[in-house]
Amino acid sequence: KAGVTQTPRYLIKTRGQQVTLSCSPISGHRSVSWYQQTPGQGLQFLFEYFSETQRNKGNFPGRFSGRQFSNSRSEMNVSTLELGDSALYLCASSLVGVEQETQYFGPGTRLLVL
Amino acid sequence: AQSVAQPEDQVNVAEGNPLTVKCTYSVSGNPYLFWYVQYPNRGLQFLLKYITGDNLVKGSYGFEAEFNKSQTSFHLKKPSALVSDSALYFCAVRDLNSGYSTLTFGKGTMLLVSP
Repeated sequence: KAGVTQTPRYLIKTRGQQVTLSCSPISGHRSVSWYQQTPGQGLQFLFEYFSETQRNKGNFPGRFSGRQFSNSRSEMNVSTLELGDSALYLCASSLVGVEQETQYFGPGTRLLVL
Repeated sequence: AQSVAQPEDQVNVAEGNPLTVKCTYSVSGNPYLFWYVQYPNRGLQFLLKYITGDNLVKGSYGFEAEFNKSQTSFHLKKPSALVSDSALYFCAVRDLNSGYSTLTFGKGTMLLVSP
């Protein structure tokens, strides 16, 4: 089975711009979660989607949003980029998102905001 | 609120020696515990998890972890380290009282295995 894929792998944007990141989960997985990884804050949960509905949300400003499509693919969007948004954004998928399931991670999208 | 602590920023070990990467947790209910590894410029790779049952969990690449409820610990171990094990290791926890798919991660421990 193919793993979680994320596109693009690298992005450079300037402050004030917006960005959209894409994630394709493992085939058959319906839960998709997003995490932000920075050297200072470590790994932080952004949000989780299941059946096209946001089911859980972390403590991030409204500039961070996401959605999920009927084929379980997910996108996250960051508007009005700030320098502090520079990070590795990781997507993870699992079957239905219950606690005992393993989340499988993609390679990440590295975003640099200048 | 659930939390995970990895008390060591870095662990150094010689190749062939046993290794231990420490993790302690705090949850309000029964814990589901995970270990992931991250190589440079890569995502997180799943190593092993504890859900219930045997306190010694075996995972990928020869790694194992011991769940200790009284000490609220879930230390990662390997009997004989390889240079290729050098990477960043994360412990993570979910519990039954949290949101569905939120993983709370420790800050990570860098493992350096010298030849």
